[in-house]
Amino acid sequence: DTEVTQTPKHLVMGMTNKKSLKCEQHMGHRAMYWYKQKAKKPPELMFVYSYEKLSINESVPSRFSPECPNSSLLNLHLHALQPEDSALYLCASSQVHSGGGVYNEQFFGPGTRLTVL
Amino acid sequence: GQNIDQPTEMTATEGAIVQINCTYQTSGFNGLFWYQQHAGEAPTFLSYNVLDGLEEKGRFSSFLSRSKGYSYLLLKELQMKDSASYLCAVKAAGNKLTFGGGTRVLVKP
Repeated sequence: DTEVTQTPKHLVMGMTNKKSLKCEQHMGHRAMYWYKQKAKKPPELMFVYSYEKLSINESVPSRFSPECPNSSLLNLHLHALQPEDSALYLCASSQVHSGGGVYNEQFFGPGTRLTVL
Repeated sequence: GQNIDQPTEMTATEGAIVQINCTYQTSGFNGLFWYQQHAGEAPTFLSYNVLDGLEEKGRFSSFLSRSKGYSYLLLKELQMKDSASYLCAVKAAGNKLTFGGGTRVLVKP
């Protein structure tokens, strides 16, 4: 299984709602990522989890709260979002970086298209 | 800081060759990736370079010069399905991947 799955595919929410995005992989990867991608822009890294622990937070506002309950699952909890947070949210996974020229390709999920009204 | 530059858009004819250049200035370097992204879809991995030189994979080749902070992706025998955005991404320390702005390639018949 070389697939990263994300649910839901589309999400529309109001600024006072609380919702969660879910991501799952069964490739045995111990690094998982959240990216945000606006239209016609590249993905921007938000969070990195390594061995289920948060290793990178790219100064993301606290209205985005990541969670990694186990090695296969990654969630992104959303609360009090702003309309400018509307974007495609991509999850990715990879082996943990091991150095020595061994590369760790990131596998991306199909994304959740989020619209904040 | 990280700075990764690539052209915004390129147009080429079906059957032709297109070369997409990427220049980078990053703090730390653990390899350079090329990804393909069709509109509305997830990025998919194309190639990886960490040592200088050319890596060939079928119709796609990628080149790296670390001393020049330069890479290119070469697409040969272009097909209509190759119309997509091509993302250059540099891996700095650990697992962090930073993407360039992407190059939209339009293949015309």
